[in-house]
Amino acid sequence: DQQVKQNSPSLSVQEGRISILNCDYTNSMFDYFLWYKKYPAEGPTFLISISSIKDKNEDGRFTVFLNKSAKHLSLHIVPSQPGDSAVYFCAASARFAGGTSYGKLTFGQGTILTVHP
Amino acid sequence: KAGVTQTPRYLIKTRGQQVTLSCSPISGHRSVSWYQQTPGQGLQFLFEYFSETQRNKGNFPGRFSGRQFSNSRSEMNVSTLELGDSALYLCASSFPQGIGELFFGEGSRLTVL
Repeated sequence: DQQVKQNSPSLSVQEGRISILNCDYTNSMFDYFLWYKKYPAEGPTFLISISSIKDKNEDGRFTVFLNKSAKHLSLHIVPSQPGDSAVYFCAASARFAGGTSYGKLTFGQGTILTVHP
Repeated sequence: KAGVTQTPRYLIKTRGQQVTLSCSPISGHRSVSWYQQTPGQGLQFLFEYFSETQRNKGNFPGRFSGRQFSNSRSEMNVSTLELGDSALYLCASSFPQGIGELFFGEGSRLTVL
């Protein structure tokens, strides 16, 4: 049972254009969402997060949008740069739901982003 | 500020053996989580430790175990290795309050022959 899904295994965009990575979840208890970037032979690096009380969070070129009714979130990268080429993972947690899932993240399968010069 | 350090980075074992992986969290971080990454299953949660106590456990067999020491360093052990245990094992640390992201190490690449 995959509770977090990234349905696009790969995405290719031109430098300077917008990259949009999508993620869907099924567990209504998830209330905190994160995006990680991963290069080969390295651990995931945190990019940006959003709490379920918000519908948008921005950090520089990165913006995450959350649509709770659709159980969908997306990561927008504007403008895309060749250095952004990596695997992007969406992750979710029931962190604030009164549970004990502090360090437990449920990850999607990842989307390989390639930004062409 | 030093990041999360995992040792060893690479190791090769044979079926039936056991392995111990080590993780030193970022200074001040008291929560340590372990994840397994495989091509087929993606990143899967193994367990989390806080103050030397296991706080959360994923869906893995009892061959996978861990512990945390008083200095927050953590080890995980896999006994009776199987071919399917070949994976990248990632450790992550965080503040204990459950707010904020996990900081991952570079991982330990285990190959079981």
